[in-house]
Amino acid sequence: EDQVTQSPEALRLQEGESSSLNCSYTVSGLRGLFWYRQDPGKGPEFLFTLYSAGEEKEKERLKATLTKKESFLHITAPKPEDSATYLCAVPYNNAGNMLTFGGGTRLMVKP
Amino acid sequence: DTEVTQTPKHLVMGMTNKKSLKCEQHMGHRAMYWYKQKAKKPPELMFVYSYEKLSINESVPSRFSPECPNSSLLNLHLHALQPEDSALYLCASSHSRGRGNTEAFFGQGTRLTVV
Repeated sequence: EDQVTQSPEALRLQEGESSSLNCSYTVSGLRGLFWYRQDPGKGPEFLFTLYSAGEEKEKERLKATLTKKESFLHITAPKPEDSATYLCAVPYNNAGNMLTFGGGTRLMVKP
Repeated sequence: DTEVTQTPKHLVMGMTNKKSLKCEQHMGHRAMYWYKQKAKKPPELMFVYSYEKLSINESVPSRFSPECPNSSLLNLHLHALQPEDSALYLCASSHSRGRGNTEAFFGQGTRLTVV
């Protein structure tokens, strides 16, 4: 059965303290891995798509990387406004448009 | 423009009411989705529309009835809901396969409370 697992469930950082979030997946024939940010009570905001092992994408303080079994979201020198739940998702159908989400990592950055 | 607009933002309804959630996008996407999200849980797929036709129903109870009037609009009709149906309902859209990247863009959701 295809699965997506994120760790840790929650992460507290001091402002400026860099860290990484993990997303492990077991799908047959990856058709993309997606990272989203979700603020409380809001819809997920698209961040990145990764398609092949070795691929990297960056946006401001965030950098996403992909291997054959997992993806990392690296957060460099985070700020309080980076506090949110970060979700990863993979498609589980051939068309690549039905997403299964990991449980998310709730990130809290203290000033 | 990567905006998906959902209305209303909040909805409180009784178990005997009929209400509808609305979703609109103007990104030219031909795939549209409804997801349900309970508190502290990830979104779960309910329905997929592709080219205005229902292509996936993830075993959703018939008290939820989707409708896609055209390529920009998606509705979710609600009838005889239960309190456990209270959740954040998210609409999303994406390109269909073969039409570019398939990342989904989400609306801000409708917070539904069933009393």
